[in-house]
Amino acid sequence: DAKTTQPTSMDCAEGRAANLPCNHSTISGNEYVYWYRQIHSQGPQYIIHGLKNNETNEMASLIITEDRKSSTLILPHATLRDTAVYYCIVRVVSGSARQLTFGSGTQLTVLP
Amino acid sequence: KAGVTQTPRYLIKTRGQQVTLSCSPISGHRSVSWYQQTPGQGLQFLFEYFSETQRNKGNFPGRFSGRQFSNSRSEMNVSTLELGDSALYLCASSLFASGITDTQYFGPGTRLTVL
Repeated sequence: DAKTTQPTSMDCAEGRAANLPCNHSTISGNEYVYWYRQIHSQGPQYIIHGLKNNETNEMASLIITEDRKSSTLILPHATLRDTAVYYCIVRVVSGSARQLTFGSGTQLTVLP
Repeated sequence: KAGVTQTPRYLIKTRGQQVTLSCSPISGHRSVSWYQQTPGQGLQFLFEYFSETQRNKGNFPGRFSGRQFSNSRSEMNVSTLELGDSALYLCASSLFASGITDTQYFGPGTRLTVL
C-alpha cells in the first residue's frame, strides 16, 4: 500500500469546518483512499472512502485531487466529539494484501 | 444491525501465560481481521481470516495465532505471553464480496495487560 503523509496535529474551533489534508503521492490506480478516526482507546471508526471522485456522507466529505496524489477530509461543522486521531489510508480492496496499514494520523482537537 | 463485538474487554495476565480473545463480526460479514495497537508501534496488522482460512498474515511471531469458525466468529490466541504483548487488540470485519469496496468495521477492542 502507498505511504501517506499527514500533519501530526491540528486544532479547529467548534462549529467551524475541519479540513484534514493527506498526501499520497505514490498511490496506484487500483488503490482507494480511506479515512478512519479513533477516539481515545476505542476502536477505529470508518468515516469515508473514495477512488477518484469526491464523496460525501452523513459524517464528512472527501475531496481527492485530479492527479489523486492528495486528498482532504472535511468535517463541515466540527463538534467537541470530533476530537480524535484521524487516519488516512490508501489500500487495495481485493487480493491477498487488503489489510489496512495505519500511519501516525492527525490528532484533531476541536476547541470550544 | 449490531456492530463488531469483542470479548473480554479487559484482561490481565502474567508472563508465560496464554490468552484467547474472541470476536463476533457484523452479521453477514465473512472476513475477520485482527490488529494490535501499542503506543510504540501504533496499529499493526496481525492476520485475516475468511471461510475459516487464514488469508493474510502480518509480521508477528508464531506465538500469535488465530482461527475462524463456520459462523465467521474468530478467536486469536497468544501463547507464552511477554510484557511487550500488552496492547489493545482490535478485530475488524468486512463483507468480503467481490466487485465492491470492502470496508472494514472495527470492534471496541480488548485491552490486554501482561504483568
